[in-house]
Amino acid sequence: KAGVTQTPRYLIKTRGQQVTLSCSPISGHRSVSWYQQTPGQGLQFLFEYFSETQRNKGNFPGRFSGRQFSNSRSEMNVSTLELGDSALYLCASSSPPAAPLHFGNGTRLTVT
Amino acid sequence: AQRVTQPEKLLSVFKGAPVELKCNYSYSGSPELFWYVQYSRQRLQLLLRHISRESIKGFTADLNKGETSFHLKKPFAQEEDSAMYYCALSTSTGNQFYFGTGTSLTVIP
Repeated sequence: KAGVTQTPRYLIKTRGQQVTLSCSPISGHRSVSWYQQTPGQGLQFLFEYFSETQRNKGNFPGRFSGRQFSNSRSEMNVSTLELGDSALYLCASSSPPAAPLHFGNGTRLTVT
Repeated sequence: AQRVTQPEKLLSVFKGAPVELKCNYSYSGSPELFWYVQYSRQRLQLLLRHISRESIKGFTADLNKGETSFHLKKPFAQEEDSAMYYCALSTSTGNQFYFGTGTSLTVIP
């Protein structure tokens, strides 16, 4: 089985711009969650989707949003980028829900 | 509120020495605890989970509900154990995980 795939691997954006990150889960996995990883804060939960519905959301501003499609692929969007949004964004899938997470390699976002 | 604490950011041990990575949690319900590991230039991956009660790569972890701890132990560290280790807690209300800030383990040859 192919693992969790995240695209793109690297992104450089300017403050104020918006960005969309993509995640393809392992085939058959219907739960997809997103995490922000930074050196100071570690992994922080952004949100989790299951069957196209957001079930959980972390403590991030509304600029961070996501969605899941019928094929379980997920996208994450960050609008009005700030310098502090620079981080590694990890996507993880699992099946069934609450099972261990399988992580992608992440998208490294740099905001200048 | 749910919280996972890993008090050591960095830990160095000599090859062959015992190693213990500490993890404490706070959660009012019945948690599921995990250890994830990230080797250099690899993706984050599951090392072990408490309900499995198994030893992976020589590592074990016991859930101590009284002390709310889930420390990771290995009796004899190997150089290939050098990695970043994250303790994580999953709640019963869906698939939300809380991670500690991680411990970077270096095994000195």
